[in-house]
Amino acid sequence: GENVEQHPSTLSVQEGDSAVIKCTYSDSASNYFPWYKQELGKRPQLIIDIRSNVGEKKDQRIAVTLNKTAKHFSLHITETQPEDSAVYFCAASKNDMRFGAGTRLTVKP
Amino acid sequence: DGGITQSPKYLFRKEGQNVTLSCEQNLNHDAMYWYRQDPGQGLRLIYYSQIVNDFQKGDIAEGYSVSREKKESFPLTVTSAQKNPTAFYLCASTATTSDTQYFGPGTRLTVL
Repeated sequence: GENVEQHPSTLSVQEGDSAVIKCTYSDSASNYFPWYKQELGKRPQLIIDIRSNVGEKKDQRIAVTLNKTAKHFSLHITETQPEDSAVYFCAASKNDMRFGAGTRLTVKP
Repeated sequence: DGGITQSPKYLFRKEGQNVTLSCEQNLNHDAMYWYRQDPGQGLRLIYYSQIVNDFQKGDIAEGYSVSREKKESFPLTVTSAQKNPTAFYLCASTATTSDTQYFGPGTRLTVL
């Protein structure tokens, strides 16, 4: 089955800096790659997603890149703000979804 | 994701007891999923159902059971066979025409 690895497990940046989180997946048949943000005690919220026919997608300060050949995808957050602090999960899916272990992002004011 | 509800928000269980977690959605989604989340960890798939009266095991199905008698409901039973059930349980659903999963608010289960 699918196996998703996510790095780093924790990331601390200064407000205004960029943050990058990377994921790799094992199943070349996976074709959908979402990113979720989860605040403490809350449900995961979808922030951006990308499909296998696209290499890059951007939504304001958030972007995701996908390299299907290497089977890895990354989340980029620019101009980070304290409210970006949360746990971020990547996932890979074909028929069922598998999640990475999460990255705890802390943005210091 | 406001159309997915889980109840109760907090649940306490004594060892040896079965307990059922509720998940309801009014989004007309075909597929529903149950995940378990332990502190500081990601989401692990317990069971999923892509159509009424059918469901498949995920990665950690042992000690759990589900049913899908109605499209809008996908209850999860945590049985006494689950040796370490204390965790945060999340239900999700998705439409057939979309891959996007929407999550319920979760149920935090604690075994006393």
